[in-house]
Amino acid sequence: NAGVTQTPKFQVLKTGQSMTLQCAQDMNHEYMSWYRQDPGMGLRLIHYSVGAGITDQGEVPNGYNVSRSTTEDFPLRLLSAAPSQTSVYFCASSFRDQETQYFGPGTRLLVL
Amino acid sequence: KQEVTQIPAALSVPEGENLVLNCSFTDSAIYNLQWFRQDPGKGLTSLLLIQSSQREQTSGRLNASLDKSSGRSTLYIAASQPGDSATYLCAVYKAAGNKLTFGGGTRVLVKP
Repeated sequence: NAGVTQTPKFQVLKTGQSMTLQCAQDMNHEYMSWYRQDPGMGLRLIHYSVGAGITDQGEVPNGYNVSRSTTEDFPLRLLSAAPSQTSVYFCASSFRDQETQYFGPGTRLLVL
Repeated sequence: KQEVTQIPAALSVPEGENLVLNCSFTDSAIYNLQWFRQDPGKGLTSLLLIQSSQREQTSGRLNASLDKSSGRSTLYIAASQPGDSATYLCAVYKAAGNKLTFGGGTRVLVKP
């Protein structure tokens, strides 16, 4: 199993540009989440999904959209990037609620 | 709102010494608690998951305890090695939906 994969590893955007961060898992996990990690703020939940077609907001959802059309994929969309979205983004998944979450390697995003 | 604290923020020990890492949370009505390891520039690796009904969980040289009444969890790493140098994060599940609230982490350096 590849586990949780994320692409790209690193991205530079200009303010106002849009992009999609990709996340995929091959473990047949129902639950998937997006977190961002910032110095001094730790890891914070952006959006999560409890199954295909079901998503909900986390702690810091503004500026981000998600959808879950398949069990395997959970992309994160930035519609109009802002410098405040400069961060490291992690995708995670678990088989069931409250079980061990497995994290991807992260995407480092710089918004100029 | 659930708050998770890890003190100290950084710790340096000589090789062979036992490591004791602390995690405290403000709301004792947690579901489960998970400990992670993060190497610089990498994703999070799950170490242990302690279910809310458990008081401790062990894996090799790692042992994690959970005391919900006092709002504390402790991760013990026996006979530390330089390869144990990393940042250790604890995170608690508060509500359904697989939402984790993270502590700020303890950065550990094991000196040869």
